[in-house]
Amino acid sequence: DAGITQSPRHKVTETGTPVTLRCHQTENHRYMYWYRQDPGHGLRLIHYSYGVKDTDKGEVSDGYSVSRSKTEDFLLTLESATSSQTSVYFCAISESEGDTEAFFGQGTRLTVV
Amino acid sequence: GENVEQHPSTLSVQEGDSAVIKCTYSDSASNYFPWYKQELGKGPQLIIDIRSNVGEKKDQRIAVTLNKTAKHFSLHITETQPEDSAVYFCAASTARFYFGSGTKLNVKP
Repeated sequence: DAGITQSPRHKVTETGTPVTLRCHQTENHRYMYWYRQDPGHGLRLIHYSYGVKDTDKGEVSDGYSVSRSKTEDFLLTLESATSSQTSVYFCAISESEGDTEAFFGQGTRLTVV
Repeated sequence: GENVEQHPSTLSVQEGDSAVIKCTYSDSASNYFPWYKQELGKGPQLIIDIRSNVGEKKDQRIAVTLNKTAKHFSLHITETQPEDSAVYFCAASTARFYFGSGTKLNVKP
């Protein structure tokens, strides 16, 4: 398995609180992605990064921010969690952009109550 | 942006039968088409992929076909086994991956 670790694996939080999810890789891949997975929607891209401090928005970025201060770490922050952000979040990494295998982490199940 | 549609959403087959999952895409610039398998409680894992310059690719019991003119691609699993039961996702990519909504495959022993 590719060296990707997501933390925490499970989290329950209250509406309005900030939440940060962490993705750590040991593969030295340039590209890192955050997806959310919801029934009937597959995997939707929230944000991605193409290098340290280089990030861009995906298709469902509202309410989320990201940071990448080191090659190995990509953080996803929900500034003020809402119930609509209850989901399973996956981090993925790839060597190049969109034309090679993306390796996924184990996922973080986030529940906003 | 790209729009990927995947059918069926659920598929139930008898062990030993074949399973076919179909996807369509909208952006003719998409040039890479991976298929992922997701087992319960795990992240998706690549099982096979195809590039736009190839029409078909096989790997043991799985195969993928691509029709660029019609903008559709399909996953074929032959001689299905209970361990093939999972959720399967197709994706189309130019620079970013766009995923289908998934197919839950159930292989009955």
